[in-house]
Amino acid sequence: SQQGEEDPQALSIQEGENATMNCSYKTSINNLQWYRQNSGRGLVHLILIRSNEREKHSGRLRVTLDTSKKSSSLLITASRAADTASYFCATDARNYGGSQGNLIFGKGTKLSVKP
Amino acid sequence: DTEVTQTPKHLVMGMTNKKSLKCEQHMGHRAMYWYKQKAKKPPELMFVYSYEKLSINESVPSRFSPECPNSSLLNLHLHALQPEDSALYLCASSQFSGVRNTIYFGEGSWLTVV
Repeated sequence: SQQGEEDPQALSIQEGENATMNCSYKTSINNLQWYRQNSGRGLVHLILIRSNEREKHSGRLRVTLDTSKKSSSLLITASRAADTASYFCATDARNYGGSQGNLIFGKGTKLSVKP
Repeated sequence: DTEVTQTPKHLVMGMTNKKSLKCEQHMGHRAMYWYKQKAKKPPELMFVYSYEKLSINESVPSRFSPECPNSSLLNLHLHALQPEDSALYLCASSQFSGVRNTIYFGEGSWLTVV
């Protein structure tokens, strides 16, 4: 079953520009995580934000969480060609048996950064 | 670089074959997972092991059989698969199974069933 929905499905920008991806979810969560996946490879964990946090930074990444709107955004500043990948949000939705730590992934945003 | 190692990276098997996917982690994690990912789709959870015991089976067909020989190893035994089972199989681990844990993924094993 699917919990998160990323928006947009695809995003193409020039190097140096900022990229913003959004994620909406349906049920209560304990935390929300963002992952990156290069084509045909494994997922790399980027950042985890807990339900009682509103914003978190890690390097060029900024994640926000609005639990009242059940949405999160991932901002990548000063993008690079190496940021080209698919980005997924994932939640440990409580109503999905999240206490076991099983992540429910959204459909993902495919980001293309052109040099 | 990921600290979750999966082998083989690519596997082609016939529908009557028996094969296994292997996963290893040396981070001392006590929870391990198998996910399946079809092309252009998000990963979907198959199994969760916690302290070497199967804790979640997401209604996966019996032609997929997981095994956790010890806290560092996780196998996925494959038998009588169908072409629609062709996908990227991702192994993952976390310190514990629980809502506060970051999950670390391997690079995946590409499976093609012919």
